[in-house]
Amino acid sequence: EAQVTQNPRYLITVTGKKLTVTCSQNMNHEYMSWYRQDPGLGLRQIYYSMNVEVTDKGDVPEGYKVSRKEKRNFPLILESPSPNQTSLYFCASRPGTSGLYEQYFGPGTRLTVT
Amino acid sequence: AQSVTQLDSQVPVFEEAPVELRCNYSSSVSVYLFWYVQYPNQGLQLLLKYLSGSTLVKGINGFEAEFNKSQTSFHLRKPSVHISDTAEYFCAVSDKAGNQFYFGTGTSLTVIP
Repeated sequence: EAQVTQNPRYLITVTGKKLTVTCSQNMNHEYMSWYRQDPGLGLRQIYYSMNVEVTDKGDVPEGYKVSRKEKRNFPLILESPSPNQTSLYFCASRPGTSGLYEQYFGPGTRLTVT
Repeated sequence: AQSVTQLDSQVPVFEEAPVELRCNYSSSVSVYLFWYVQYPNQGLQLLLKYLSGSTLVKGINGFEAEFNKSQTSFHLRKPSVHISDTAEYFCAVSDKAGNQFYFGTGTSLTVIP
């Protein structure tokens, strides 16, 4: 089944403890992206990647890192999480680099930082 | 840069009644426009998109949207809603390179039996 998977789905952690949220797609998509969803703010783009080893900042990149060493994986790294990073995170992928193509979203990761 | 405004945060509507969810965007370049739906505890699913051509776009589940360039709007409509349409709806815009996406703040549609 073609899909975008995220792990973990739920995570509670403490301030300052490094964490990684994994994202993997099995559709051979070139483009991948991370979003955070907050009440009243909708979805905001954190980082995106046009292909392996090509990443760029979205609207809200502060406090996050990403890497794209393989086409299928696009992990989101929080080196020192803070409570304001408590949010619902979505990973997405699409087949091409043009906006013509539909994005496919993962199921989401709910992160709580205490 | 682009931005998206969804004018209604919550829309209650009775079952089988029509509904319109409003979306306005701003951009200095040509854009692609999208509507996504998010059911409770799920990811986002594409309803429809406007890329070019006909300004009336039909999507899944009986939804349609009309692109109005002069009013920079992309309102979503359905002539008769069902209970199963209860969800959060997001309007989104991207430039034609498609690198960055901007979403609206969402409209929560509640269908009342």
